[in-house]
Amino acid sequence: GQNIDQPTEMTATEGAIVQINCTYQTSGFNGLFWYQQHAGEAPTFLSYNVLDGLEEKGRFSSFLSRSKGYSYLLLKELQMKDSASYLCAVSDSNYQLIWGAGTKLIIKP
Amino acid sequence: ETGVTQTPRHLVMGMTNKKSLKCEQHLGHNAMYWYKQSAKKPLELMFVYNFKEQTENNSVPSRFSPECPNSSHLFLHLHTLQPEDSALYLCASSRDAAKGYNEQFFGPGTRLTVL
Repeated sequence: GQNIDQPTEMTATEGAIVQINCTYQTSGFNGLFWYQQHAGEAPTFLSYNVLDGLEEKGRFSSFLSRSKGYSYLLLKELQMKDSASYLCAVSDSNYQLIWGAGTKLIIKP
Repeated sequence: ETGVTQTPRHLVMGMTNKKSLKCEQHLGHNAMYWYKQSAKKPLELMFVYNFKEQTENNSVPSRFSPECPNSSHLFLHLHTLQPEDSALYLCASSRDAAKGYNEQFFGPGTRLTVL
């Protein structure tokens, strides 16, 4: 079967750094996405990785290792507005997105 | 309007009712999706339309019926639903469902409660 695993919940302090991990097992791989979803709102796109390595975009970075079936999202200089759920999704051999259950990130002052 | 819009935002219905959810995208995309989001569960893909053709139907019960009259509009017709169908229903669109880099843009969702 196909599955995506990520922690259910994480807590971090304002101004700090947090890393959210995602491991996957899918039939085929056409890229990995990270989305952010604030409570009661739509998911919004954060990043896309298809090759191994680190992609940096401002305070957010995303890393991929295809051989390990592993990715992480790194958030730096955390702000209160970063409190949200972070969803990992993999595009499989049919370009269908397989989603993780999301990681709820709680930021404390 | 811009982006992806959905109506209604909230819906309460009885098990014998018939209702429809509407989605409209103003992004010039060719693919549209219906997802079901339940608490603490992964997003469940229900239906995919690519260039107005249905390409995915992930074993969704027949009480859910999609309709895609054009590439900008998507409907989800509901009838004789069950309480376990209560969830957030999200619509999304993207340029092309058959591409690897396929960023999906989501609407705000319809919060459905079945009594």
